[in-house]
This record gives sequence, C-alpha cells and structure tokens, in this order.
Amino acid sequence: GEDVEQSLFLSVREGDSSVINCTYTDSSSTYLYWYKQEPGAGLQLLTYIFSNMDMKQDQRLTVLLNKKDKHLSLRIADTQTGDSAIYFCAESPMDSNYQLIWGAGTKLIIKP
Amino acid sequence: EAEVAQSPRYKITEKSQAVAFWCDPISGHATLYWYRQILGQGPELLVQFQDESVVDDSQLPKDRFSAERLKGVDSTLKIQPAELGDSAMYLCASSLEAGGPPEEQFFGPGTRLTVL
Repeated sequence: GEDVEQSLFLSVREGDSSVINCTYTDSSSTYLYWYKQEPGAGLQLLTYIFSNMDMKQDQRLTVLLNKKDKHLSLRIADTQTGDSAIYFCAESPMDSNYQLIWGAGTKLIIKP
Repeated sequence: EAEVAQSPRYKITEKSQAVAFWCDPISGHATLYWYRQILGQGPELLVQFQDESVVDDSQLPKDRFSAERLKGVDSTLKIQPAELGDSAMYLCASSLEAGGPPEEQFFGPGTRLTVL
C-alpha cells in the first residue's frame, strides 16, 4: 500500500537553511504536496510539484524531487522564527483516485 | 479572505456520549472532506463529499460515525457513542472540485475532541 515517511523533528538555527525530507512509495503519484501546520491553525498548502519535474522554486522555498528514489525534499532558505511549524508531505496516487496520502509531519524547531 | 469554518473548536465528552461537529466550507467549493488527525500523525481521510453525495467513506467507522451534507453546503460529522480512542483533531477541508490534481484543499482550524 501507499506510505509516506518523514523524520519527526528538525532543528535549525535562525538564518540557516532547513531541509525537510520525505519518501513515498506509490509510483503512480502525479503530484506531491507540502503543507504547513501552525499551532491552532489549519493546514496550509505551501507548494506542490508535478512528478515529471525535478525542481520547483517559490521565493524562499525550493522543492526537489528524485523520482527514481521516490524522495522529495523541501528547502527553506533563511529560516525565520515564523517558520516554526509542522510540515507535512503528501502524495496523490492516481491509483487511489488522487486522494492525499499524508506523512506524519516534521516538526521544525528554530534555535535563536 | 474566505475560510473554512468549524465548530466547536474544542469538545470534551464522556465515553458513550454523542458528539457532533459542524463545518462550513468556502463558498462555491463543491468538495468537502472530513479528516481525523491523531497527535503525531498525518490526517486520515474519513469521508469525502462531492456536493451532497458521498464520494468515499471507506475509512469511516460506520457503526458509530455518520456524516451528512444535506444541501451540498455545510456538513455535520457525528459520533455516537464516543469511545476513548476517538480522541483526536477532526479537520474539515474543502476544494473547488475533485477532478484530479493539482487540487488545493483549504483546511479549517479543526475541532479537538477529548473523550474521558
């Protein structure tokens, strides 16, 4: 079955780059998503990438996709305290009617 | 800015009691989702509506959970009777339509349920 895995925690210093990693299993996935969840707030879509792309950049965010290894990463440049949140990776397998399959989330901790 | 509304934000109940959660999606969004999120895990889809019709409820524990979206707008999720293992965050999301990706789902703030 489908599975999305992420590390549970990542700690970085303010101003450094954060790299959050995700692996997925379903080869029929067409889009892969990154969502952000802040305390007391709903999940917010940050960015997504189509599975035939290698990279997508949007301001401080860079998504890299290694389709061969089924590895997705989210890089946040110049990490700020406002970036503290839980980041969820999700895939949408065509075989599952594009329903989102979610990872457990990576909690990003910013050290001053 | 349009948002998905949910109420209540917090609910504490005793096991065997009935609870109900309400969701009002963004106006014009045809697709509505209910998710359950256990602490430390990602969301798990419980039910998906397209307008007033259920598209997928395969993960909904139908012996105790029910969901409806009678007029294809707002929706109610009910649990009766509640069990200790139902303690979780219940998230509602909506999207314009479910015709395939990419599809941005807009999430409400959730209802945190605690069953004692």
